[in-house]
Amino acid sequence: AQTVTQSQPEMSVQEAETVTLSCTYDTSESNYYLFWYKQPPSRQMILVIRQEAYKQQNATENRFSVNFQKAAKSFSLKISDSQLGDTAMYFCAFMKHNTDKLIFGTGTRLQVFP
Amino acid sequence: EAEVAQSPRYKITEKSQAVAFWCDPISGHATLYWYRQILGQGPELLVQFQDESVVDDSQLPKDRFSAERLKGVDSTLKIQPAELGDSAMYLCASSPPPGAGGARVGDTQYFGPGTRLTVL
Repeated sequence: AQTVTQSQPEMSVQEAETVTLSCTYDTSESNYYLFWYKQPPSRQMILVIRQEAYKQQNATENRFSVNFQKAAKSFSLKISDSQLGDTAMYFCAFMKHNTDKLIFGTGTRLQVFP
Repeated sequence: EAEVAQSPRYKITEKSQAVAFWCDPISGHATLYWYRQILGQGPELLVQFQDESVVDDSQLPKDRFSAERLKGVDSTLKIQPAELGDSAMYLCASSPPPGAGGARVGDTQYFGPGTRLTVL
């Protein structure tokens, strides 16, 4: 069975600084997808970034980028130039290829302060 | 931009009562998911529909939970009777069918705002 571990329950960062959220996962699959989702307070969860395991290049979406280390089963999220609106719960998630079942980690609460 | 709709947003009930949650996915999304998110944890899939058919309900406590999507559009999740341990956020999500508008397996799931259930 696949598991996703987020070892940082809470993180904080000053506005305009960079922060990295950690995620590790366990799977015997060779082909899969990894996601970071953001859940702002009292708002719906939205996709931040998506990585396909067969792609060696790390995904990037504007200020958000990932460090995908397949051998180490690590998938960290880097947020550059942090903004107050980045304050949210961040969930790392795994999806096996040819399925669409998401398996989530326990989340990291990120607080961006002025 | 189209969104997944859920109602009610908040529900307080007493244990042993029945509760129902409603979800309206984004138009054209064939796949619909119900998740339960206990405070301090990540969402856990309860049931997945492909059109009107259940694809995966392996984590649904079938003695008290039921879900339906009769016309393959909106969906209802019911709990009867509710227990104290059912207090959680219930999230609905939908995703387009592979091939629709370039969608792929493993594509984005779009989440609704959730229904926060408190059982007293």
